[in-house]
Amino acid sequence: EAGVAQSPRYKIIEKRQSVAFWCNPISGHATLYWYQQILGQGPKLLIQFQNNGVVDDSQLPKDRFSAERLKGVDSTLKIQPAKLEDSAVYLCASSSPGTSGIGTDTQYFGPGTRLTVL
Amino acid sequence: GNSVTQMEGPVTLSEEAFLTINCTYTATGYPSLFWYVQYPGEGLQLLLKATKADDKGSNKGFEATYRKETTSFHLEKGSVQVSDSAVYFCALKNQGGKLIFGQGTELSVKP
Repeated sequence: EAGVAQSPRYKIIEKRQSVAFWCNPISGHATLYWYQQILGQGPKLLIQFQNNGVVDDSQLPKDRFSAERLKGVDSTLKIQPAKLEDSAVYLCASSSPGTSGIGTDTQYFGPGTRLTVL
Repeated sequence: GNSVTQMEGPVTLSEEAFLTINCTYTATGYPSLFWYVQYPGEGLQLLLKATKADDKGSNKGFEATYRKETTSFHLEKGSVQVSDSAVYFCALKNQGGKLIFGQGTELSVKP
């Protein structure tokens, strides 16, 4: 079974530029997550999708970050404009609701995109 | 609120030494508990999990027991190998399905 795919793996931009990340979840996984992992910290959830609807975006800085999941499969996360403090690894994860409902199953993570903002 | 606290790293051990990485949590309700591992240059991988009190999760020689009375989920391995060098994250999942991670503990195993 193929895992969660992400691209690009690395990205370097200057502040105030825009950037986009792409994620393809495991086939059949209805739930998709984007996390931000700042160096030396644990991942922090930015947004959670169930199919193509948003379940939780309470920690997404909506003035500069946006995410979409058209057709309930692939997802893109965009930052516009980027700030120095956005330098981090952006992780995508997916899970299947399983038989016990949303949020009860294991999350599988992609390799991440390392963003450096200069 | 919900939070996870791990022992600070880096932890440096010799091969075949005993490993303990402490993890305590604060949560409302009855969360599920996880250990994830991140090898250099790779994404997070689920190492083990426990979904209720007194459950023991185990995988690849690692174990952790869900202790509700001490709100802990310490990771242990009897004999570490160089290949276990990685960053280990303790996490809880609340009833809404949100994963909350600790800050991570780096383990370095020397031959």
